[in-house]
Amino acid sequence: EPEVTQTPSHQVTQMGQEVILRCVPISNHLYFYWYRQILGQKVEFLVSFYNNEISEKSEIFDDQFSVERPDGSNFTLKIRSTKLEDSAMYFCASSGWGNEQFFGPGTRLTVL
Amino acid sequence: QKEVEQNSGPLSVPEGAIASLNCTYSDRGSQSFFWYRQYSGKSPELIMFIYSNGDKEDGRFTAQLNKASQYVSLLIRDSQPSDSATYLCAVNRGATNKLIFGTGTLLAVQP
Repeated sequence: EPEVTQTPSHQVTQMGQEVILRCVPISNHLYFYWYRQILGQKVEFLVSFYNNEISEKSEIFDDQFSVERPDGSNFTLKIRSTKLEDSAMYFCASSGWGNEQFFGPGTRLTVL
Repeated sequence: QKEVEQNSGPLSVPEGAIASLNCTYSDRGSQSFFWYRQYSGKSPELIMFIYSNGDKEDGRFTAQLNKASQYVSLLIRDSQPSDSATYLCAVNRGATNKLIFGTGTLLAVQP
C-alpha cells in the first residue's frame, strides 16, 4: 500500500542553524501539507501546497519557513534559522482528489 | 471557544466493551470530519471519515455525525488492548482542506 515517507526520522540541530525536512508524498497525490506537533500538544497546520505553490499558510509559518517541491517526488520544509521553540514533530501529509489526508511517520526536530 | 473540542481522557474501558469517543466543533460550515488514531510517538493514522449526517460503519468502527448539534463521535466495538491510543478528531477547513485537530482523547483498553 502506498505511503508517505519522511527523512530524517530525527534531526538534532543547534539554535540558529538551518534544517531541511524531506517528504515523499504518495505518488498520485496532488495536495501536500506540513503539520507540526509540539510534545503534549495538538497537531497544528503549517502550510498547504498545490500546483507548485503555497495555497495556504498558518500564522506559525513565518518568514523562517519555506517549502519546495524540487522534483516530481520530494516535498521539503526548510527552517532557515531554528529557534528552541521549533522543537517538535513535523508531519508531512498528502491527499488526492478526496479530502482524506495521509500522514508520514514524522521527523522529530530537536533544537539545542 | 476552541474550534474542535475533545475530552482529553483517559477513557478506560474493559476489553470487549464499546468505547465511545466524542468531539464537538464550532464552525457550522465544516463539511468533512475525520478520526485519526495516534500511538505514542507515532504519526496520526486515518481510521474513519464522514461527510454526511448519520452513521458510517467500517469493521469495528462507527462514525456518527450530527451537523445540527455540531457533534461527531466514534464508536469502537469489541475494544482490544491494541486500540489503546490517542484518538484525534479533525475537521477540514477552507479551500485547501487543511485539518483542524482537537487535542485528542486517550483511550485505555484494559485486558
